Amino acid sequence: EIVLTQSPGTLSLSPGERATLSCRASQSVSSSYLAWYQQKPGQAPRLLIYGASNRATGVPDRFSGSGSGTDFTLTISRLEPEDFAVYYCHHYGSSPGSFGQGTKLEI
Amino acid sequence: QPQLRESGPGLVKPSETLSLTCTVSGSVSTSNYYWGWIRQPPGKGLEWIGSIYYSGSTYYNPSLKSRVTISVDTSKDQFSLKLTSVTAADTAVYYCARLGGVYGSANSWGQGTPVTVSS
Repeated sequence: EIVLTQSPGTLSLSPGERATLSCRASQSVSSSYLAWYQQKPGQAPRLLIYGASNRATGVPDRFSGSGSGTDFTLTISRLEPEDFAVYYCHHYGSSPGSFGQGTKLEI
Repeated sequence: QPQLRESGPGLVKPSETLSLTCTVSGSVSTSNYYWGWIRQPPGKGLEWIGSIYYSGSTYYNPSLKSRVTISVDTSKDQFSLKLTSVTAADTAVYYCARLGGVYGSANSWGQGTPVTVSS
């Protein structure tokens, strides 16, 4: 099973700043099967990025994904107040798939 | 995007069976999408439980495979989860979701239903 490790565990930034979240896989994965989700308290996760770099429907263009092999990045170019949440990466290319432990983005 | 809604008991006794249903607004009989269950224990991360295609093909997390059954009812646009022999470790918020592939990506989610395993 592929293990995804996200860093940092918590990221403290201010609105307007740039956020860079990392996801490292224990072995090389296909970028076609790497996703990012945003989860706010009491809500279901929301798909942001799939295939490592493709924005899901309705996702603002300040969110971007990149990476390949074992290292992937989610970048939020200019933080808005509503962006403060927990972010998960997800590999879904093979059974059973795996999620990272999450990065909490706090003000 | 379809709307998904989970339903089922919020409290299950240890050793009994957890049963949940997901009702989809729209049709489950759509090609290119799978329907799945994902859970999140309190204060923890996400775990894929399993997926089903409208044809009935199923895929399960190996760690849960011996206890999980997922089924689909295309006439009602519903799919269901049964998890047997539950323990406290199965306490979690259970989400149903539409998946772009067998193991993800989940592009539509239900609101989630909390299930507690306790006597």
